[in-house]
Amino acid sequence: DVKVTQSSRYLVKRTGEKVFLECVQDMDHENMFWYRQDPGLGLRLIYFSYDVKMKEKGDIPEGYSVSREKKERFSLILESASTNQTSMYLCATQLVSGTGHGYTFGSGTRLTVV
Amino acid sequence: EDQVTQSPEALRLQEGESSSLNCSYTVSGLRGLFWYRQDPGKGPEFLFTLYSAGEEKEKERLKATLTKKESFLHITAPKPEDSATYLCAVQARHTGGFKTIFGAGTRLFVKA
Repeated sequence: DVKVTQSSRYLVKRTGEKVFLECVQDMDHENMFWYRQDPGLGLRLIYFSYDVKMKEKGDIPEGYSVSREKKERFSLILESASTNQTSMYLCATQLVSGTGHGYTFGSGTRLTVV
Repeated sequence: EDQVTQSPEALRLQEGESSSLNCSYTVSGLRGLFWYRQDPGKGPEFLFTLYSAGEEKEKERLKATLTKKESFLHITAPKPEDSATYLCAVQARHTGGFKTIFGAGTRLFVKA
């Protein structure tokens, strides 16, 4: 089974801090995604990547950036954390696009910005 | 506009009381419809992919079906451990590639 590991389950950061969320997969999946999940709003796509050093903006990229230097690692960066970025952050991987392969999700990181 | 709508938002059942969750979608170029289960505080767990109208998939007490406009997740004789949020998602053709759209989910509560 593919394992997707997110570095922290819970994080508390202060407003204005730079925050790094790490995601590592242990299989050879091409695609990686970062979502945030908020009550009543569902899953919203922040950024995704189909290849090393490749990144694409999702639906809500403002205030975030990403890095994919190695195939197995996809990092989400909050450049200057704000309270409205308090959320559950989910990393997901997918073998390839357009073939009906589902996502494998990590356990999530619950981030609180104070 | 591509859209995925799940109903009901929440469903409360007694143990053994069978029911269905609905996922209706409006997309062009459907490549697959996915069902996930999400337990509180955890990431979603993949259950099924359905590719075309008429297809059915089963796993234990769950059975997913697909038509051209909607999918149903049927739960037969549910148990308390089936309590979770069930998410539906569709993957469709999008400019330059594909896009996955998630529904807001149905929260299922099964009482013993």
